[in-house]
Amino acid sequence: QSVLTQPPSVSGAPGQRVTISCTGSSSNIGAHYDAHWYQQIPGTAPKLLIYGNNNRPSGVPDRFSGSKSGTSASLAISGLQAEDEADYYCQSYDSSLTNFVFGAGTKVTVL
Amino acid sequence: EVHLVESGGGLVQPGGSLRLSCAASGFIFSNYWMSWVRQAPGKGLEWVANIEPVGRDKYYVDSVMGRFTISRDNAMNSLYLQMNSLRAEDTAVYYCATQAYYSFHHWGQGTLVTVSS
Repeated sequence: QSVLTQPPSVSGAPGQRVTISCTGSSSNIGAHYDAHWYQQIPGTAPKLLIYGNNNRPSGVPDRFSGSKSGTSASLAISGLQAEDEADYYCQSYDSSLTNFVFGAGTKVTVL
Repeated sequence: EVHLVESGGGLVQPGGSLRLSCAASGFIFSNYWMSWVRQAPGKGLEWVANIEPVGRDKYYVDSVMGRFTISRDNAMNSLYLQMNSLRAEDTAVYYCATQAYYSFHHWGQGTLVTVSS
C-alpha cells in the first residue's frame, strides 16, 4: 500500500482534459514537502514532468500542469493526445519514514 | 545533455551479491545528489538510496539497510550500488537518477536485477 494514493486509471478522448489526484498526509505533501510528477511510457525510464508542485522542466509541453492544496496534489493534462498514453506517478518526501515516496501510479488511456 | 548509463545487472541466486554502476556525463557530477530508484516487474517506483555530492552522507530505504551500500567516484563520474544478501523481492529494474529539489530530474535507462535460484 503506497503512502501516496492515486487512482489506478483515468481515460479521456483526444483533446479532452484529464486530472490525476495524489492524496498524501500531514507527514508528506501536507507537511509542505513538494509534489512531483513523472511520466513513464511502458518499457522506458520514467521522465520528470512536474517538479516543485507546478514547475515544468524545459521541453515539457505546457499542456501538463500541476497544483497542490493541503495534503493533496493534482496533475492536469489538457488537450489530451495519443502520445500521452502512459503511467503517471506522483512523488514526495515523507518526514515520518524519512524516505522519498511514490504513488502506485495512474494509467492514462486515450480513447 | 545529461546522460546516465547503468550497468552490472543480471541473474543472481538468493543470498548473492551484485554491484551496479552508473556512468554519468553531460553535467557536473560532483555537484549533485544522486539516487537509485527501482521498479519491480509490473510494479511502481521505489526509492532505494541516495548520496550527497561529496559522498559522505548516505540514506537508504529500510528494506535494504545493512545489505546495500551506495557510493560514488566523482573523479570517474560514477555512481555505484553494492548489493549483498540479495532476496527475491530485490528483483527489479534499477535506475540511477540525479536528484534536485527533492525530486529526480534525469534518469538512466535502467539495469535489470533478477534474484532467483
